[in-house]
Amino acid sequence: EVQLVESGGGLVQPGGSLRLSCAASGFTFSSHDMHWVRQSTLRGLEWVSAIGTGGDTYYPSSVKGRFTVSRENARSSLYLQMNSLRAEDTAVYYCTNYFWWGQGTLVTVSS
Amino acid sequence: QSVLTQPPSASGAPGQRVTISCSGSSSNVGSKTVNWFQQLPGTAPKLVIYNNNQRPSGVPDRFSSSKSGTSASLAISGLQSEDEADYYCAAWDDSLKGWVFGGGTKLTVL
Repeated sequence: EVQLVESGGGLVQPGGSLRLSCAASGFTFSSHDMHWVRQSTLRGLEWVSAIGTGGDTYYPSSVKGRFTVSRENARSSLYLQMNSLRAEDTAVYYCTNYFWWGQGTLVTVSS
Repeated sequence: QSVLTQPPSASGAPGQRVTISCSGSSSNVGSKTVNWFQQLPGTAPKLVIYNNNQRPSGVPDRFSSSKSGTSASLAISGLQSEDEADYYCAAWDDSLKGWVFGGGTKLTVL
């Protein structure tokens, strides 16, 4: 059974940092491009980052320079380092390869 | 304001056929494949259509999709109460060099 389990969300002050993790199982993690997608009531579904099987990374302008996606194939794990967090980054963050999705982890940026 | 445009709502009676549109541009829908996601209340999105018109295993053939120019549409035939959900389209955008989503359509089964 395919599972994607996110962790690391929580409450953080504006300007702070968080590191999200996603543990994958049930499929060959190293063979798949992986994404982080977030969802908030205000902004709907929003693609946050992607990392290819070769380690190439992609970001939208809204997070470029602040967020860093990485992967550790030996541990079937995906990460998202989020720095300089803003109120508008508040959302549920999903780990996904679009075929499979995690349950999401809530990030709240507030003072 | 989402890059891909969807109607905010759609509805249909059980057994009917409903379509949901997704309008984009030449840099996304017009030149790239479109994926469709279903999101039931309180759950993560679920892929129902990929590569324009392919259904993942387990998705009933009541779900289909088509594309023409810079617009795509999701069709659900034989509407059932369990189809009541939010639906999102998504595609890669060559200009933005990233994935873009529609704003979502809330489907109500009357």
